[in-house]
Amino acid sequence: GQQLNQSPQSMFIQEGEDVSMNCTSSSIFNTWLWYKQDPGEGPVLLIALYKAGELTSNGRLTAQFGITRKDSFLNISASIPSDVGIYFCAGLNAGNNRKLIWGLGTSLAVNP
Amino acid sequence: DSGVTQTPKHLITATGQRVTLRCSPRSGDLSVYWYQQSLDQGLQFLIQYYNGEERAKGNILERFSAQQFPDLHSELNLSSLELGDSALYFCASSVEQVSYNEQFFGPGTRLTVL
Repeated sequence: GQQLNQSPQSMFIQEGEDVSMNCTSSSIFNTWLWYKQDPGEGPVLLIALYKAGELTSNGRLTAQFGITRKDSFLNISASIPSDVGIYFCAGLNAGNNRKLIWGLGTSLAVNP
Repeated sequence: DSGVTQTPKHLITATGQRVTLRCSPRSGDLSVYWYQQSLDQGLQFLIQYYNGEERAKGNILERFSAQQFPDLHSELNLSSLELGDSALYFCASSVEQVSYNEQFFGPGTRLTVL
């Protein structure tokens, strides 16, 4: 099935550093979602984006809906140990609103 | 705690067997979604039910089936199991029929097929 290209696949950073990850698609999306999955848990929605160019924050997290509607970015500022986990992007293709398309995730490790 | 419950948490079985995974959505949620998560494939949408009826189908194998009961809980049936079916299976729920911005995930069932 279709998947989003999410990068980087993994990151290992020092506490306090900023983090950036992104998600790209070959087709146009009309919704972008960012989730975080802690070990042994299900994904939890962090930020939802619905309009091209939209920039939305949730605490230290900021996400943007790319103006081409084919990409999205998630930034985490001043990382802390509890930011550890897998971050997934997901999107609704403009041509198929019933199924979320998922990225493979970015695994984040934070060294205290 | 998302309010979505899944049982069992872990399941170990043999190839060729059949298993049933159970999901109870959040109180008031009418939609249930099933996902499969494996290391090399990420999260794959399997199927969605809304108020007892199938609403959307993803990459669900013919060996797999699901249903949603009148009390809105759902079951995912996996039969003729193969080694490659080993994965985490998540259930999610939402209030609306199409409400991807408010989809709440359960803790998952880890299936191991030996």
